[in-house]
Amino acid sequence: DADVTQTPRNRITKTGKRIMLECSQTKGHDRMYWYRQDPGLGLQLIYYSFDVKDINKGEISDGYSVSRQAQAKFSLSLESAIPNQTALYFCATSAAGEAETQYFGPGTRLLVL
Amino acid sequence: LAKTTQPISMDSYEGQEVNITCSHNNIATNDYITWYQQFPSQGPRFIIQGYKTKVTNEVASLFIPADRKSSTLSLPRVSLSDTAVYYCLVGDAGGSARQLTFGSGTQLTVLP
Repeated sequence: DADVTQTPRNRITKTGKRIMLECSQTKGHDRMYWYRQDPGLGLQLIYYSFDVKDINKGEISDGYSVSRQAQAKFSLSLESAIPNQTALYFCATSAAGEAETQYFGPGTRLLVL
Repeated sequence: LAKTTQPISMDSYEGQEVNITCSHNNIATNDYITWYQQFPSQGPRFIIQGYKTKVTNEVASLFIPADRKSSTLSLPRVSLSDTAVYYCLVGDAGGSARQLTFGSGTQLTVLP
């Protein structure tokens, strides 16, 4: 969905490096999410934010941190990347009270060497 | 948290109707049923959502029996471009994102 953009689209990094993945949305939604997807598997929730002042851990938050800089921006950081964080990362948004109807970005493919 | 169970994979031919069933035996009163479609290397895309009985939109139909312990996504006259993974989710419209779980989904392969 073009209303949700992610940068970069692809990233290769080395073990121990800090990296940031960014997400921006123009849908005006309050809620934003970060998911991780490993090959052949479903999506796992990393963090979610219901508004600028609200950040919550998801299923697999260890090794990750987030920042909600504005309603439209939600960044995911890997403080010290490790190879098993190699995955496809998706950002999503939803309107308040409509958590099941999420709009996803195009994804960031991350490779940690 | 309502767990969902779907077939891992299904094959179909172009022009056929495809029905994918999802089991959610412990669905809660406030839970809605939502289906997503995901193409390779793309984010999931919302297809349809329902609470009970039947819902239809331009893409699919969703059938939900009275006990709501299962649901069936129906794709009419599929084409090759419908090859994708389909996820069934069960969650509360006003609740926490933690109540949403993307399982492994159903890989639908449409053959010519």
